[in-house]
Amino acid sequence: AQKVTQAQTEISVVEKEDVTLDCVYETRDTTYYLFWYKQPPSGELVFLIRRNSFDEQNEISGRYSWNFQKSTSSFNFTITASQVVDSAVYFCALSEALIKAAGNKLTFGGGTRVLVKP
Amino acid sequence: NAGVTQTPKFRVLKTGQSMTLLCAQDMNHEYMYWYRQDPGMGLRLIHYSVGEGTTAKGEVPDGYNVSRLKKQNFLLGLESAAPSQTSVYFCASSYSKGGYGYTFGSGTRLTVV
Repeated sequence: AQKVTQAQTEISVVEKEDVTLDCVYETRDTTYYLFWYKQPPSGELVFLIRRNSFDEQNEISGRYSWNFQKSTSSFNFTITASQVVDSAVYFCALSEALIKAAGNKLTFGGGTRVLVKP
Repeated sequence: NAGVTQTPKFRVLKTGQSMTLLCAQDMNHEYMYWYRQDPGMGLRLIHYSVGEGTTAKGEVPDGYNVSRLKKQNFLLGLESAAPSQTSVYFCASSYSKGGYGYTFGSGTRLTVV
């Protein structure tokens, strides 16, 4: 069975500090997809990134960057120069997508609450 | 706007009452899902559907039933609500191709007293 662990339940930083969110996953499949979602105080889920298991290149999008390492089953997320608007709960998720009957179910980690103080 | 629509957005139930949450998507997605979100536990899958007329159990299915009579709709039913079902419920849909197209509704906050 697939599993996603986000060991950090809450991180508090001061604005402009960098913050790294850890995500460790377990899966028996060779083909899978990893995601990060942001949930701001308003409650909706905002898609941030999708990465497939065959693409280990790190990715940067503005102040956001992601480090995918298959060797350690980790998909960590860094916010550089954090801002108050980054305050939210961040979820890492995993999808195994090989068997139609199993659907493309997303398995979520418990989430990390990030609080950015001015 | 295209997307996933959940109704209602808020609801308070008394223990033992029943209700149905409606999820509608207009993206022609094959797959649909119901999740519940509880503090510190992320989102957990209740039931899912890989096509019209088909449903399957997820991680936490007890106390819930679902139906997908039309491709665009996925209903979540609580036959006899319990306080343990107080949660935020999210519906989602996706393409059948792995890893693509996940779209979430805005959530339903349910309180059972």
